Amino acid sequence: DQQVKQNSPSLSVQEGRISILNCDYTNSMFDYFLWYKKYPAEGPTFLISISSIKDKNEDGRFTVFLNKSAKHLSLHIVPSQPGDSAVYFCAASDNTDKLIFGTGTRLQVFP
Amino acid sequence: NAGVTQTPKFRILKIGQSMTLQCTQDMNHNYMYWYRQDPGMGLKLIYYSVGAGITDKGEVPNGYNVSRSTTEDFPLRLELAAPSQTSVYFCASSSHMSTQYFGPGTRLTVL
Repeated sequence: DQQVKQNSPSLSVQEGRISILNCDYTNSMFDYFLWYKKYPAEGPTFLISISSIKDKNEDGRFTVFLNKSAKHLSLHIVPSQPGDSAVYFCAASDNTDKLIFGTGTRLQVFP
Repeated sequence: NAGVTQTPKFRILKIGQSMTLQCTQDMNHNYMYWYRQDPGMGLKLIYYSVGAGITDKGEVPNGYNVSRSTTEDFPLRLELAAPSQTSVYFCASSSHMSTQYFGPGTRLTVL
């Protein structure tokens, strides 16, 4: 039973355009959501997070949107750069220190 | 700052062999975690620890053991390696209800 779902295994975007990565969850007890970025042969690195009391959080080129009624969140990257090419994992927590991860979306930004 | 370090980076085991994956963090974090990532899948929690002397099972603990004798170290033990344990293993640490920081991973193959 996959509680956090990333239904798009891959996404290809042109440099300078917007990248939108999506994530759905099923557990209504989740109250904190994170995005991690992973390059090959490295561990995941934290990118941005959002609490369930907000519907948007922004950090530079990265914005996360949360739609609680739809149990959906998305990560927007504007403008996309070649260095953004990586695997992006969505993760969720239910007020514990444990995270449930999605399966990841591989983003490729081409020139 | 070294952050979270893991050794070894790579290892090939024969079925039935045992080994210990080492994890050390220098951020004085109380919380430490072990995850595995299989191809095309998200990270699955194996074991976690909320402090020295305290450990608990995650989603996929079977075939593994852990111990936490110090704040810094959280080794993961495989007693009887099986092909199903072929995976990439990540260690992470965090403060209470805070961002998890990951190590670079150990790629394990069991033949």
